[in-house]
Amino acid sequence: EVQLVESGGGLVQPGGSLRLSCAASGFSFSSYSMNWVRQAPGKGLEWVSYISSGSSTIYYADSVKGRFIISRDNANNSLSLQMNSLRAEDTAIYYCARGRNSGRSAFDIWGQGTMVTVSS
Amino acid sequence: EIVLTQSPDTLSLSPGERATLSCRASQSVSSSYLAWYQQKPGQAPRLLIYGASSRATGIPDRFSGSGSGTDFTLTISRLEPEDFAVYFCHQYGSSPLTFGGGTKVEIK
Repeated sequence: EVQLVESGGGLVQPGGSLRLSCAASGFSFSSYSMNWVRQAPGKGLEWVSYISSGSSTIYYADSVKGRFIISRDNANNSLSLQMNSLRAEDTAIYYCARGRNSGRSAFDIWGQGTMVTVSS
Repeated sequence: EIVLTQSPDTLSLSPGERATLSCRASQSVSSSYLAWYQQKPGQAPRLLIYGASSRATGIPDRFSGSGSGTDFTLTISRLEPEDFAVYFCHQYGSSPLTFGGGTKVEIK
């Protein structure tokens, strides 16, 4: 079964750090681009970051640029998001999502999400 | 940044009716890199349409996408009870990737 499972969410104080992970299974992880997308409570979807299949191309939303770092480990079928200098407005469900191919593409597989709450 | 504006915000329809959802981009979406997703409460989004008009795997043919450039449409030909949800359009042709604000299709 093709699956993405996020972990690492939780409650963190403003200014703190958190590392999210996404474990992939059931497909050839190294052949697909990956993304992080977030959704604040009761709000719409916001794309956060993109990484190509071989990590050669990385993009960030302006709202997280300089604070978040996306990475992947193709040997271990995992995607990560290192989040630093967290703000209240980063509070959201964070989804990892697979691109349909190795480059820029629609997101065809999504994880169940992990909740990040930034609050004192 | 390409801003996607979806309309209407809410669509109130009955099962069996036709739903037409609009997504307008602030500038042309390259190569029709436009997708549509469905999201139900408490669930992750599900890909319906990619490349503006191609149905994703397992998506019923009552869902269809059309459009190019700056104007795109998602049509649900006959609403089934399970189709009442929120729908988002998404452009992935240029960074930053962006989503529309969503259209809620609710039961009338």
